[in-house]
Amino acid sequence: QVRLQESGPGLVKPSETLSLTCTISGGFIGSYYWSWIRQPPGKGLEWIGYIDYSGTTNYNPSLNSRVIISLDTSKDQFSLKLSSVTAADTAIYYCARGSRVVIPLFDYWGQGSLVTVSS
Amino acid sequence: DIQMTQSPSSLSASVGDRVTITCRANQSIANYANWYQQKSGIAPKLLIYAASSLQSGVPSRFSGSGSGTDFTLTISSLQPEDFATYYCQQSYSTPLTFGGGTKVEIK
Repeated sequence: QVRLQESGPGLVKPSETLSLTCTISGGFIGSYYWSWIRQPPGKGLEWIGYIDYSGTTNYNPSLNSRVIISLDTSKDQFSLKLSSVTAADTAIYYCARGSRVVIPLFDYWGQGSLVTVSS
Repeated sequence: DIQMTQSPSSLSASVGDRVTITCRANQSIANYANWYQQKSGIAPKLLIYAASSLQSGVPSRFSGSGSGTDFTLTISSLQPEDFATYYCQQSYSTPLTFGGGTKVEIK
């Protein structure tokens, strides 16, 4: 059974960099799109971006200049860095596995990690 | 960006009711639509992919239909565990986008 688990600080100061890691267990890291998705409290879902098994990335243009997603296959982990954060970046951050079953979809999700941006 | 507009944003229904949620894309996305269920405080769960295919393990009372710009999620007989928020999502092009959500509440 595939399991994803987010980890990282729950509090980040404004203008600093948010860093989260997702650890993958129970599955093969190849042939998938490893994504980050966020959800501000009480609001909807926003796709941040993904990295595939070859290291190719694709980011949401709304965050493009501030986002870096990286993959460490030796540790079965992928990470998110979001720079210059503001209160608007306060959200639950989910890591998710993107698969292509007929069409691209998110079939496994982490439990989510609440990150609050505040001084 | 492709915008996904869901309606209604919320609805009240009773156990046993037939519930229909719609999602409209602002351009054709063929069948590149997925549906997710999110219960309070829990990560979303995939219900329907490619507009009408039922994800493994999802009860058959859930069904999806549509293509092009208009999509529908139907719950044939609402059960207590179905009270949740439902999101559509397009995977036709990046940035991948979600609808605003439909909250299904108990009447």
